[in-house]
Amino acid sequence: GAVVSQHPSRVICKSGTSVKIECRSLDFQATTMFWYRQFPKQSLMLMATSNEGSKATYEQGVEKDKFLINHASLTLSTLTVTSAHPEDSSFYICSARDRLRDRRYEQYFGPGTRLTVT
Amino acid sequence: DQQVKQNSPSLSVQEGRISILNCDYTNSMFDYFLWYKKYPAEGPTFLISISSIKDKNEDGRFTVFLNKSAKHLSLHIVPSQPGDSAVYFCAASGLMADSWGKLQFGAGTQVVVTP
Repeated sequence: GAVVSQHPSRVICKSGTSVKIECRSLDFQATTMFWYRQFPKQSLMLMATSNEGSKATYEQGVEKDKFLINHASLTLSTLTVTSAHPEDSSFYICSARDRLRDRRYEQYFGPGTRLTVT
Repeated sequence: DQQVKQNSPSLSVQEGRISILNCDYTNSMFDYFLWYKKYPAEGPTFLISISSIKDKNEDGRFTVFLNKSAKHLSLHIVPSQPGDSAVYFCAASGLMADSWGKLQFGAGTQVVVTP
């Protein structure tokens, strides 16, 4: 159980376009989903926390207007990278917390999305 | 500022031997620590965790030790197997008001298990 999927797994887009990444909890309902970004050989950096039905909370330094997060249901959160630029190229990972278990430290991670902006 | 630090970016160990991965943290409000394993182009998978009220937790080949006074934890893998080759992330969670449920990750340690 506790499977999180991400789609797409890889995406290449042109500079200036927008890209949407989906994160789904497949066999549980997620009260909270987190979006991370990982640069090569670096740590996972938390970008934002997304609670179902409310606005996302962004970490310091993360542009809200650039990284739009929507958490419309208990099983789906989306991250839209708007007007993407090459420096947005990265590995984006989502995680989800199970509503029923709801232990604050338990997060189930998706497989990640590799975004390349040309 | 990096509140969770893994100072060894890589570790090479022979199959069958012990792998010891280290992690240091600076925030005394952290009260729960986790280790994740990550393969390239995949999301992290949970390995083992420890609460700050304990100093040791064991699960099969994996043991995590916590030294609160030193703000240090370590992950022991014994015996190491080729399938253990991956990046290992240390993560911490705290009760800080604006950080509930969030994980702070270290930079990771690449483990390579050689035959």
